[in-house]
Amino acid sequence: AQSVTQLDSQVPVFEEAPVELRCNYSSSVSVYLFWYVQYPNQGLQLLLKYLSGSTLVESINGFEAEFNKSQTSFHLRKPSVHISDTAEYFCAVSVISSGDKLTFGTGTRLAVRP
Amino acid sequence: EAGVAQSPRYKIIEKRQSVAFWCNPISGHATLYWYQQILGQGPKLLIQFQNNGVVDDSQLPKDRFSAERLKGVDSTLKIQPAKLEDSAVYLCASSLRGDSSYNEQFFGPGTRLTVL
Repeated sequence: AQSVTQLDSQVPVFEEAPVELRCNYSSSVSVYLFWYVQYPNQGLQLLLKYLSGSTLVESINGFEAEFNKSQTSFHLRKPSVHISDTAEYFCAVSVISSGDKLTFGTGTRLAVRP
Repeated sequence: EAGVAQSPRYKIIEKRQSVAFWCNPISGHATLYWYQQILGQGPKLLIQFQNNGVVDDSQLPKDRFSAERLKGVDSTLKIQPAKLEDSAVYLCASSLRGDSSYNEQFFGPGTRLTVL
């Protein structure tokens, strides 16, 4: 079975500061990796994904994540955050060739302060 | 393109009452998922449909939860009777298909259930 660990339940940061949200996973088989964002009172939105190829993936709003197989990690980073980035961020995995079933971490609340 | 629709958005009931949630997936999406998201936790898959057939319901508490997708489009999730621990946000998601290749899941806004 797969599992996802997000050790930080909340990350406070000042606007324009860099941020890293940590994600580690456990799986005996190859997986796809995802970051989802959930804004208040909204559903989950896919932020970025790693399926194959380059281990560094980027989103359209400046976030990036790097797949590190040896450390089984997929940390999310942004060099300069905005107030509008305040949200809950979930890391998730799905087993390759098993369809789209997602296993989520417990989430990290990013709180950006002015 | 319209997204995944869910209703109601909020529901408050007393324990032992029944409740039903409705989901309308994105048009043409064959696969539909129901997730339970308890406060402070990540979403947990309850059931997965492929068209109108159940693919995975291993984590659905079948003594009180039921779900159906009769015509392979809309779906309803029912809880009868509800318990306090059922308080959560129930998310519906859909994807084009649920085969071995990757298909992005699109999520609805969720239904927040409070059981008193």
